[in-house]
Amino acid sequence: EVQLVESGGGLVQPGGSLRLSCAASGFTFGHYWMSWVRQAPGKGLEWVANISPDGNDKYYVDSVKGRLTISRDNAKNSLYLQMSSLRAEDTAVYYCAREVAWSFESWGQGTLVTVSS
Amino acid sequence: QSVLTQPPSVSAAPGQKVTISCSGSSSSIGNNYVSWYQQFPGTAPKLLIYENDKRPSGIPDRFSGSKSGTSATLGITGLQTGDEADYYCATWDRKVFGTGTKVSVL
Repeated sequence: EVQLVESGGGLVQPGGSLRLSCAASGFTFGHYWMSWVRQAPGKGLEWVANISPDGNDKYYVDSVKGRLTISRDNAKNSLYLQMSSLRAEDTAVYYCAREVAWSFESWGQGTLVTVSS
Repeated sequence: QSVLTQPPSVSAAPGQKVTISCSGSSSSIGNNYVSWYQQFPGTAPKLLIYENDKRPSGIPDRFSGSKSGTSATLGITGLQTGDEADYYCATWDRKVFGTGTKVSVL
């Protein structure tokens, strides 16, 4: 069974940093593209970033370029999102998701990031 | 950033059918696969439809997807109270999600 478990969320001040993690199990992690998708409170879904199976290709939504960095460690079956220069508008639940057949096929339970002073 | 437009809400009585539209453009829906997601409050989204009209294992055939031109549609037949949730479409071009639709069972 595919399992994705996010961690690392919390309260951070504007301009601060945070590192999210996603632990994967139940599948060969290094064979799949992975994404981060976020959802602000009461709002819709927004794709944030994704990364190729070997970690060499990374793509971001324009609003986070230069501030959020996606990475992975296939030996540890883990996906990461390094967040810096955080803004109030980054407040959201962050989900990691496995990409299959041009869709987000499996999702974690999410971790809440709150940017506030 | 392109936008996929969905109706804010749809509703029907139990056992009836609802359809949710997802309107885009030639560069979004027109040239890309569409997927659909179901989300209950406080939980993660769940994949319902991929590649326009395919259902993952375990998704009942009450849920169906279609695409025509620059629009896509999710259909739910035999509506149940357990179907009350938010539904989102998405295309793979820049991975854009729709605005979301709340389904209510009257």
